[in-house]
Amino acid sequence: GENVEQHPSTLSVQEGDSAVIKCTYSDSASNYFPWYKQELGKRPQLIIDIRSNVGEKKDQRIAVTLNKTAKHFSLHITETQPEDSAVYFCAATVPGGSYIPTFGRGTSLIVHP
Amino acid sequence: DTEVTQTPKHLVMGMTNKKSLKCEQHMGHRAMYWYKQKAKKPPELMFVYSYEKLSINESVPSRFSPECPNSSLLNLHLHALQPEDSALYLCASSHTSYNEQFFGPGTRLTVL
Repeated sequence: GENVEQHPSTLSVQEGDSAVIKCTYSDSASNYFPWYKQELGKRPQLIIDIRSNVGEKKDQRIAVTLNKTAKHFSLHITETQPEDSAVYFCAATVPGGSYIPTFGRGTSLIVHP
Repeated sequence: DTEVTQTPKHLVMGMTNKKSLKCEQHMGHRAMYWYKQKAKKPPELMFVYSYEKLSINESVPSRFSPECPNSSLLNLHLHALQPEDSALYLCASSHTSYNEQFFGPGTRLTVL
């Protein structure tokens, strides 16, 4: 089955800095890569996603890049703000049947004001 | 309506109790999921119903029993749970495969 590695497990930055979280996946058939943000005590919420026919996607301060050859994808947050502090999970999905994403272990992002 | 709702928000139960968690969505999604999540860990898939057909994670103990009365409702029946089953239980739905999942707010379960 699919295996997703996520690094780092903890990331501490100063407000205004950029943050980068990286994930690698094992199954070259994976074709959908969502990123979820989970604030303390709340539900995971999709913040951005990318499909395998696209190399990069951007939404305001958030961007995701995908390298299919190397089987890795990254989340980039620019101009970080304290409200960006949360746990971020990447995921990869192999097509076919039910949508069952494989999650990374998560990155705890702390943005210091 | 673009939300997944879950009840109850919090549940405390003893190891001999029987209780049920409920989940509902009105987005016309045909796939619904139960996840278990421990603090600062990723959600772990327990069950998925896709077009009302159940797929099971073989590692889930039989004290958890899912039910899908219709395409909008999903229940999780709990019986004879253990303290290690204490966790946040998340329900999610998606339109079909290849689509994002929408998560409910979760039920915080404590087993005494």
